[in-house]
Amino acid sequence: AQTVTQSQPEMSVQEAETVTLSCTYDTSENNYYLFWYKQPPSRQMILVIRQEAYKQQNATENRFSVNFQKAAKSFSLKISDSQLGDTAMYFCALAGGTSYGKLTFGQGTILTVHP
Amino acid sequence: SAVISQKPSRDICQRGTSLTIQCQVDSQVTMMFWYRQQPGQSLTLIATANQGSEATYESGFVIDKFPISRPNLTFSTLTVSNMSPEDSSIYLCSARDRGGENSPLHFGNGTRLTVT
Repeated sequence: AQTVTQSQPEMSVQEAETVTLSCTYDTSENNYYLFWYKQPPSRQMILVIRQEAYKQQNATENRFSVNFQKAAKSFSLKISDSQLGDTAMYFCALAGGTSYGKLTFGQGTILTVHP
Repeated sequence: SAVISQKPSRDICQRGTSLTIQCQVDSQVTMMFWYRQQPGQSLTLIATANQGSEATYESGFVIDKFPISRPNLTFSTLTVSNMSPEDSSIYLCSARDRGGENSPLHFGNGTRLTVT
């Protein structure tokens, strides 16, 4: 069984500052993928960033980057230069085994960016 | 990347009735999935919609309650049957690009269902 844990129900940050969202996971699979999704009030699930477990290099996507610690099974998301539009629920998710489309989601972290 | 359209976007239904949600993808995709997001909760996979065969349901979900169709590679429906207030949730359709096993999962805008 796969599990994903987000221990921060809510976070807040000032505009232009940096914030880190935490995520830990557990899986018995050797090959797996990790994702961060953003869900604004519109409820659209938007893929923010993804990381292949076999890649040691941390993924980056503009202002978003991850700190992937495979041995510790940790996958945190760093948002730099936070913008008001970053306000949303953020979900960490794991896909592994033979069905990479089947995602296991964490509980989510509500991020609020203050002006 | 695949663009997914879902309708209706929201509905209010009476208990005991059924609602069918439609999901249309703008390109052929290999895998389509249906998720449920209960109020204030995370997403839970209901089932994998298989083209040309019966859907594969996750533990806790059954075909009689959530019948799924997938007549082709771009379209799927989820029916929520004999609804009760506990079925009030957001239902999301998702699909994986045909770009291989590392292609990302995309989501529709979801259907907000309220059962009274």
